[in-house]
Amino acid sequence: SQQGEEDPQALSIQEGENATMNCSYKTSINNLQWYRQNSGRGLVHLILIRSNEREKHSGRLRVTLDTSKKSSSLLITASRAADTASYFCATDLSSGSEKLVFGKGTKLTVNP
Amino acid sequence: EPEVTQTPSHQVTQMGQEVILRCVPISNHLYFYWYRQILGQKVEFLVSFYNNEISEKSEIFDDQFSVERPDGSNFTLKIRSTKLEDSAMYFCASSENSYNEQFFGPGTRLTVL
Repeated sequence: SQQGEEDPQALSIQEGENATMNCSYKTSINNLQWYRQNSGRGLVHLILIRSNEREKHSGRLRVTLDTSKKSSSLLITASRAADTASYFCATDLSSGSEKLVFGKGTKLTVNP
Repeated sequence: EPEVTQTPSHQVTQMGQEVILRCVPISNHLYFYWYRQILGQKVEFLVSFYNNEISEKSEIFDDQFSVERPDGSNFTLKIRSTKLEDSAMYFCASSENSYNEQFFGPGTRLTVL
């Protein structure tokens, strides 16, 4: 797998259901950040989880990080039509690099 | 809430022309970045800038690209001689330090004809 690879590539659910997206990466990280992108628009920062953290919450979002498996998940609870967007994980490598490495994203569709 | 702004939102140019994309990072941030996203592809890192100099750049960031912080608020990306393959959405981002959240602007869609 590549650094910051999300799955599934696409997810379609009904409003009110929970949506879970996963991200896997290959090399050690300082932190992992999740972003949302509405079609053709900018990247909205959702949450940052550091390598020494296992879980973080922000409103209806829950992010977990398992550094032993090099994976993270983003859970959106009680989804709304407005949550329809692409979701990306981005890793901040621990190699001293300042860049974020993005995955291809999960395209979430929440049907009303 | 403070946010990163970018201008213009769309730029159409002819191949070989120079373009300058402008960004105003969040005011107390010290690290600035440019990324790009070719349609349908991943967001790719171009360059990071700290303390008035480039701190890291990718292979994409060749001699055709340059960045500048001409004053205390603006951060610019210049492409000297645009190519068709430079067509993409260009995002500016900023962060307080190198290990905190990077906040992105809304992007400039560059179309090279």
